[in-house]
Amino acid sequence: SQTIHQWPATLVQPVGSPLSLECTVEGTSNPNLYWYRQAAGRGLQLLFYSVGIGQISSEVPQNLSASRPQDRQFILSSKKLLLSDSGFYLCAWSELAVEQYFGPGTRLTVT
Amino acid sequence: AQSVAQPEDQVNVAEGNPLTVKCTYSVSGNPYLFWYVQYPNRGLQFLLKYITGDNLVKGSYGFEAEFNKSQTSFHLKKPSALVSDSALYFCAVRVLMDSSYKLIFGSGTRLLVRP
Repeated sequence: SQTIHQWPATLVQPVGSPLSLECTVEGTSNPNLYWYRQAAGRGLQLLFYSVGIGQISSEVPQNLSASRPQDRQFILSSKKLLLSDSGFYLCAWSELAVEQYFGPGTRLTVT
Repeated sequence: AQSVAQPEDQVNVAEGNPLTVKCTYSVSGNPYLFWYVQYPNRGLQFLLKYITGDNLVKGSYGFEAEFNKSQTSFHLKKPSALVSDSALYFCAVRVLMDSSYKLIFGSGTRLLVRP
């Protein structure tokens, strides 16, 4: 069966510091991968998606970036965090572009 | 514009009563529709989907959803609510944008089941 991991689970970072969040998927090959941000426990904002290694599409221009160095690894990064980057970050995967399966999430607080 | 609407911020129901969480959509073509549930500080869990076939779709934890093409709705239902069903529920629709399939999520409905 497939599983998806995210780490860290929680993170507190000062403004201006770098960020690296990691997501890995097990039990599937060549999945579509997604990064979402959820603010205030409500709506989901799609940040990035990837259909293959090195293929990244950005939905929202901002100071975040994403990379996919391996088939089942998806990384969300920032060189300098802003207060507005605080939120709950969710990684998801899908096969055949149908339902998506979500990881446990990372709670990021920028202070 | 393609969109999903969840008109209720919160739904309150007594344990043992039936529950309905509403969702309407606006997409071109035949919709692929989904329901997810989120517990506090957790990721979203997939409940069920409609792609084609029977309008009544059964999913996890006793939930079901009814697809109504004429009303462009996909309401989530459960015959008998449990306190443990209290959570945040999201409706989503698959759309084709920029040559890729993506999910558009509603704003979420908080379900509160009182004992």
